[in-house]
Amino acid sequence: KAGVTQTPRYLIKTRGQQVTLSCSPISGHRSVSWYQQTPGQGLQFLFEYFSETQRNKGNFPGRFSGRQFSNSRSEMNVSTLELGDSALYLCASSLSPSGGGPDTQYFGPGTRLTVL
Amino acid sequence: AQTVTQSQPEMSVQEAETVTLSCTYDTSENNYYLFWYKQPPSRQMILVIRQEAYKQQNATENRFSVNFQKAAKSFSLKISDSQLGDTAMYFCAFIPRNSGNTPLVFGKGTRLSVIA
Repeated sequence: KAGVTQTPRYLIKTRGQQVTLSCSPISGHRSVSWYQQTPGQGLQFLFEYFSETQRNKGNFPGRFSGRQFSNSRSEMNVSTLELGDSALYLCASSLSPSGGGPDTQYFGPGTRLTVL
Repeated sequence: AQTVTQSQPEMSVQEAETVTLSCTYDTSENNYYLFWYKQPPSRQMILVIRQEAYKQQNATENRFSVNFQKAAKSFSLKISDSQLGDTAMYFCAFIPRNSGNTPLVFGKGTRLSVIA
């Protein structure tokens, strides 16, 4: 099976702009989670989607949003970019079978966002 | 709240030698999963090994094995016969078992350098 894919791999934006990142999960995986990775804060959870519904959200401002489509692909959007949004954004997918219980998360290669 | 602590920011090991990376965690949960992920310079986060807390037997994957001490809340990773390709950041991560949408909690990571 193909792994988790993320596009684009690199982005350069300026303050105030908005950006959309895309994530395609492993075929058959229904849960998609997003994480932000920075040298100072490490890996921080943004949100998780399952069956087009946001099930959990981390402690990030409302400028960060996401959605999931019926084919499980997910997008995240950051509006009004700030310098501090420069980071590696990682997407992870998991089976998340019905009945609950966590499943192993498999990560994509990430999108490196630089805000100037 | 769950926390994961990796007390060794950096480590180095000679090629073909054995190295152990430490991880401790804090939780009131009884059932949970623990993971080690590897992030090489390419930035792709790769699953190394997974341990289920209700299983007493330590997980192994080829040259990688864990020492899981549930009472001590310790989860160390042993890499045998270290190879240059093992050079990477290693992250310990935790997730409780009884919630399908709880995010992974990561440690700050240990940077491992394998020296020829």
